[in-house]
Amino acid sequence: DAGVTQSPTHLIKTRGQQVTLRCSPKSGHDTVSWYQQALGQGPQFIFQYYEEEERQRGNFPDRFSGHQFPNYSSELNVNALLLGDSALYLCASSLSGTGTRATEAFFGQGTRLTVV
Amino acid sequence: GEDVEQSLFLSVREGDSSVINCTYTDSSSTYLYWYKQEPGAGLQLLTYIFSNMDMKQDQRLTVLLNKKDKHLSLRIADTQTGDSAIYFCAERPSARQLTFGSGTQLTVLP
Repeated sequence: DAGVTQSPTHLIKTRGQQVTLRCSPKSGHDTVSWYQQALGQGPQFIFQYYEEEERQRGNFPDRFSGHQFPNYSSELNVNALLLGDSALYLCASSLSGTGTRATEAFFGQGTRLTVV
Repeated sequence: GEDVEQSLFLSVREGDSSVINCTYTDSSSTYLYWYKQEPGAGLQLLTYIFSNMDMKQDQRLTVLLNKKDKHLSLRIADTQTGDSAIYFCAERPSARQLTFGSGTQLTVLP
């Protein structure tokens, strides 16, 4: 059973460019959340997708957008990249609803984005 | 995560117990979590505790929760060099997001 997979693992972009990061959730999971982890910090919540819609958003500008596909995979798009967007971007998958299984969020290995 | 605080560093000798502490602010958090991050890797879910519990044990891991003081701790028994990593405490103020601390770097000395 594959866990959460993210691609690419590393990426270098120039200021002002746009980037798309991809995530495939753990088998059986229907909810995908994205987090940004700056160096030396804990992950910060960007947004969550369920049923192809954004359910909740953290304190991130509109330059950050996302999408969820019918197969539950997800993309994170960042426009007009800034140097400060350099970070590890983590995807987490979980199961919707209540109950014990819905409490667990599993993370991928992340995509290391460097903006130069 | 300004709402979740952890000490930044902890060093222990191999074979000793490690205790990593965390304070959180949102009393409505239903679940509290501990994650482990090794260099260059994502986050690994270690364990979590429901807010109506005060202790949970899972093999070498013991989680203690003091809800009155909003204090959470993770004890690792018989700490090994492979336990060296960054440990994150996280609260779940809503069903949809986790709020993380800045992490505690655990170094296990031989």
